[in-house]
Amino acid sequence: EVQLVESGGVVVQPGGSLRLSCAASGFTFDDYTMYWVRQVPGKGLEWVSLISYDGGTTLYADSVKGRFTVSRDNSRDSLSLQMTSVRPDDTAFYFCARSRLPAAVACFDSWGQGTLVTVSS
Amino acid sequence: SYVLTQAPSVSVAPGQTAKITCRGDDIETKSVHWYQQRPGQAPALVVYDDRDRPSGIPDRFSGSNSGNTATLTISRVAAGDEADYYCQVWDRRSDHWVFGGGTMLTVL
Repeated sequence: EVQLVESGGVVVQPGGSLRLSCAASGFTFDDYTMYWVRQVPGKGLEWVSLISYDGGTTLYADSVKGRFTVSRDNSRDSLSLQMTSVRPDDTAFYFCARSRLPAAVACFDSWGQGTLVTVSS
Repeated sequence: SYVLTQAPSVSVAPGQTAKITCRGDDIETKSVHWYQQRPGQAPALVVYDDRDRPSGIPDRFSGSNSGNTATLTISRVAAGDEADYYCQVWDRRSDHWVFGGGTMLTVL
């Protein structure tokens, strides 16, 4: 069974930094493109970032480009999102998700339960 | 950037058919995916590539895509279908995933 478990959500001050993690299990992690998606409580979904199966390609939403960095450790079946210069509008639940197809940019067939990031002074 | 537009809410009586639409310029040229998000839960894929269903999704869920509108149809709606539904496409021009704003389905 595919499992994705996010961690690292905290309360952080504007301008601060934090790192989110996503632990994957139940599938061959290094075969799949992975994603980060966020959701302001009570609002819609926003795609944040993508990283290819080998880490060679990363893409970002315009709202986070230059501030967030996605990475993966295929030896540990782990995905990360380094968040810097955070702003109040980064406050959201952050989900990691898996591509439906291996080695492809495809829709998101498995999701974690999310971790809450609150940016507030 | 590419924009997907969904109605904020749809209401339907139990046993009836719900149609949730997703509008975008020439959306028929893109593959549309649909997600269901029940309150307090993570999203779950219910239709991909316009009309295909992941394993475990009942055939009451179906999709179509034509012109500027993609549609998720839920037949024989039950209370358990009450959720937010989001459409999604890959925008090749920007190399971005795009979500619609979501539609809240209420079962009366």
